[in-house]
Amino acid sequence: EPEVTQTPSHQVTQMGQEVILRCVPISNHLYFYWYRQILGQKVEFLVSFYNNEISEKSEIFDDQFSVERPDGSNFTLKIRSTKLEDSAMYFCASTRRPLTQETQYFGPGTRLLVL
Amino acid sequence: QKEVEQNSGPLSVPEGAIASLNCTYSDRGSQSFFWYRQYSGKSPELIMSIYSNGDKEDGRFTAQLNKASQYVSLLIRDSQPSDSATYLCAVITVNFGNEKLTFGTGTRLTIIP
Repeated sequence: EPEVTQTPSHQVTQMGQEVILRCVPISNHLYFYWYRQILGQKVEFLVSFYNNEISEKSEIFDDQFSVERPDGSNFTLKIRSTKLEDSAMYFCASTRRPLTQETQYFGPGTRLLVL
Repeated sequence: QKEVEQNSGPLSVPEGAIASLNCTYSDRGSQSFFWYRQYSGKSPELIMSIYSNGDKEDGRFTAQLNKASQYVSLLIRDSQPSDSATYLCAVITVNFGNEKLTFGTGTRLTIIP
């Protein structure tokens, strides 16, 4: 069964450094999402992406965040200058149709630790 | 702000008993509801989806939805130690036609052998 994959599984970085988290959505999917989960807290929506543009972003997704689908297969989340509070699990998800018509499945996540 | 509320637990249930997990949501327009299971350090794993009022059964799991009361629940029958996890309630919320999942904080369930 096709799965969403994410790399790296773990990333440690210094505060102020740029990180890029990578996701490979399921191949025929068109809608892409990033969520994050700070340790011990709830899963929070960051951004949704469709037709090569952002559909919606949360208040967490400030100017330090960006998303890109550079080559038709990868979907990346970039954090330009990481802060301590960016430490979290980051989950990618994708669907072929809008959420109300299809179940959303999550990738395994990237654990980001900012020191 | 569209909210999803869950009792964070921990909820402890003896092996073989029924575990009952509850969730309320604030957006009366929500139509799609999900229960995910999350083991520590892992991603959420879909257990059940429910869209209509009433009960939906899948093996040992039963989801119940009451849109008038804005209430969703999950029953786990014949609880097993492997059911020990955090259970996340999620609701599709819509903002200007854009859809996303809004999660509750999760209920930590422990099955006692």
